[in-house]
Amino acid sequence: DSGVTQTPKHLITATGQRVTLRCSPRSGDLSVYWYQQSLDQGLQFLIQYYNGEERAKGNILERFSAQQFPDLHSELNLSSLELGDSALYFCASSVEPYGYTFGSGTRLTVV
Amino acid sequence: DAKTTQPTSMDCAEGRAANLPCNHSTISGNEYVYWYRQIHSQGPQYIIHGLKNNETNEMASLIITEDRKSSTLILPHATLRDTAVYYCIVRVENTGTASKLTFGTGTRLQVTL
Repeated sequence: DSGVTQTPKHLITATGQRVTLRCSPRSGDLSVYWYQQSLDQGLQFLIQYYNGEERAKGNILERFSAQQFPDLHSELNLSSLELGDSALYFCASSVEPYGYTFGSGTRLTVV
Repeated sequence: DAKTTQPTSMDCAEGRAANLPCNHSTISGNEYVYWYRQIHSQGPQYIIHGLKNNETNEMASLIITEDRKSSTLILPHATLRDTAVYYCIVRVENTGTASKLTFGTGTRLQVTL
């Protein structure tokens, strides 16, 4: 157990729908990072939050948004879903100087 | 962050040492070399990191060349459980708000009997 908790583990939804992925970082970690990994693709950085504020943005679509709450958990909202959004979504929290510790991911399938 | 180049895939016999190379010729003086691995579809797992000295922990050893333009991750006695994609990443170590990790395509290591 890495200490980073992601829910749900699996999600199946239809095109055009909206879903919310949740991440709880390790206790005391202020940074949360979201990554997307499509089939046979590398890990693509989406967005980073630090203590409730957005700190860095990567290849995140406008249909996607995220936020980090006062208790430091984070949610990634994906809307108007398309087939191509099917992927593994990972959350990580920062454990310096070791970099990150990752959660086990949410597998999103859009049908 | 500097870019890295890794072989697409490698094979290793179980019980033998697995040596995974990484080129990072544009690395800056304040950038560390990190290694992560991803087993099947699990979340990536930290292995080891270093700046310029060789490093060893319970999982692996990291050898960084003197000019820091390349490095090698060594798994001393590979097992089937080490079959994974291994990512070499260079990054500025940040004790503040922390900088993002940029993953490349990695090396797919297949450990065989």
